[in-house]
Amino acid sequence: GQQLNQSPQSMFIQEGEDVSMNCTSSSIFNTWLWYKQDPGEGPVLLIALYKAGELTSNGRLTAQFGITRKDSFLNISASIPSDVGIYFCAGQGNTDKLIFGTGTRLQVFP
Amino acid sequence: AAGVIQSPRHLIKEKRETATLKCYPIPRHDTVYWYQQGPGQDPQFLISFYEKMQSDKGSIPDRFSAQQFSDYHSELNMSSLELGDSALYFCATPSKGNTEAFFGQGTRLTVV
Repeated sequence: GQQLNQSPQSMFIQEGEDVSMNCTSSSIFNTWLWYKQDPGEGPVLLIALYKAGELTSNGRLTAQFGITRKDSFLNISASIPSDVGIYFCAGQGNTDKLIFGTGTRLQVFP
Repeated sequence: AAGVIQSPRHLIKEKRETATLKCYPIPRHDTVYWYQQGPGQDPQFLISFYEKMQSDKGSIPDRFSAQQFSDYHSELNMSSLELGDSALYFCATPSKGNTEAFFGQGTRLTVV
């Protein structure tokens, strides 16, 4: 089945640093989504990407849909303590269901 | 704006018991997805419904069943619970264009 590899698995950074994480797939996706999940809560949608090559920003977040449609990255600039959480990429192919990446656990130190 | 509502938020059951999880999608949205997220794992797709009919099926055990009702709320029924069923269970509703999915806060099921 389709799999998404997300890296890095964990990141420990200082407040103010920039963060970059990415997802790669063995299959093509039509939509890439990035979610943030706090402990015990549901994933919250951060950014949605619909076209290959698309670059989209949401405040300090920037994400891109890879040209090959098999990868995506998420950048967070000038990290703050509330950025702490688990970030998931998710791809949507020919069916509506989402396939999730393995997650990146972000820890921000003051 | 109304979001996806799940109940209960927490549930503790013993092995071999049954559990019913409920999901109330965003009003006037006719599609529901169910996901299971084990400790430290990414969400895994279980099953989905569109207009009260099952539309897709993932790694859902035979002990589980689900349905969507006329008011579009959905219930996930889990029988003969096992310790490994302990997880967060999410339901999600897609946007009108089916291009994004909005998640509920989840039900944390603990099987003891």
